[in-house]
Amino acid sequence: ETGVTQTPRHLVMGMTNKKSLKCEQHLGHNAMYWYKQSAKKPLELMFVYNFKEQTENNSVPSRFSPECPNSSHLFLHLHTLQPEDSALYLCASSQGAGDYNEQFFGPGTRLTVL
Amino acid sequence: GQNIDQPTEMTATEGAIVQINCTYQTSGFNGLFWYQQHAGEAPTFLSYNVLDGLEEKGRFSSFLSRSKGYSYLLLKELQMKDSASYLCAVSNSNYQLIWGAGTKLIIKP
Repeated sequence: ETGVTQTPRHLVMGMTNKKSLKCEQHLGHNAMYWYKQSAKKPLELMFVYNFKEQTENNSVPSRFSPECPNSSHLFLHLHTLQPEDSALYLCASSQGAGDYNEQFFGPGTRLTVL
Repeated sequence: GQNIDQPTEMTATEGAIVQINCTYQTSGFNGLFWYQQHAGEAPTFLSYNVLDGLEEKGRFSSFLSRSKGYSYLLLKELQMKDSASYLCAVSNSNYQLIWGAGTKLIIKP
């Protein structure tokens, strides 16, 4: 248990569906991250939020829309996804987004797009 | 560009020692992390190096040479539970973590 929870753990959706991934951290951290993890590839940073403000968007397609209502919660809204978006989506948090930033990860959401 | 290289897969025997190497080329350097990830689980922090040298933590040690852009993770007295992927990540000049693809370590009895 890392103090970061994610729901759902598994999600299967069609290309026309709309769904949301949820992340919550109980560590009192100020920075939160979304990563995409595909088999045998490096973790891909998607978004960074620091004190609820988005500080990083790594050229992510607009079919992925993040939302950070407060420092403890992070959402990833999904719509009109493609099969190549199937992957493990990991949420992480850290004390801050700069300096020493050990990140604590949630268990991930395994997403399958049909 | 920025990249992290580590072997895709390694195999070792229970009770033995294994060294997992990581080389990096990044825009700036603010530290190197090693994480462990068991199949289907979250990555968990193992070690952090920002200065050259060896950091020891129980059965695990991590070494860094900034001039060579090189690090290794050393695992001693291997146990079956050490079977996992080991991820190397470098914090660059923007404090963004650049990740390697991970090394899958298989432990055999």
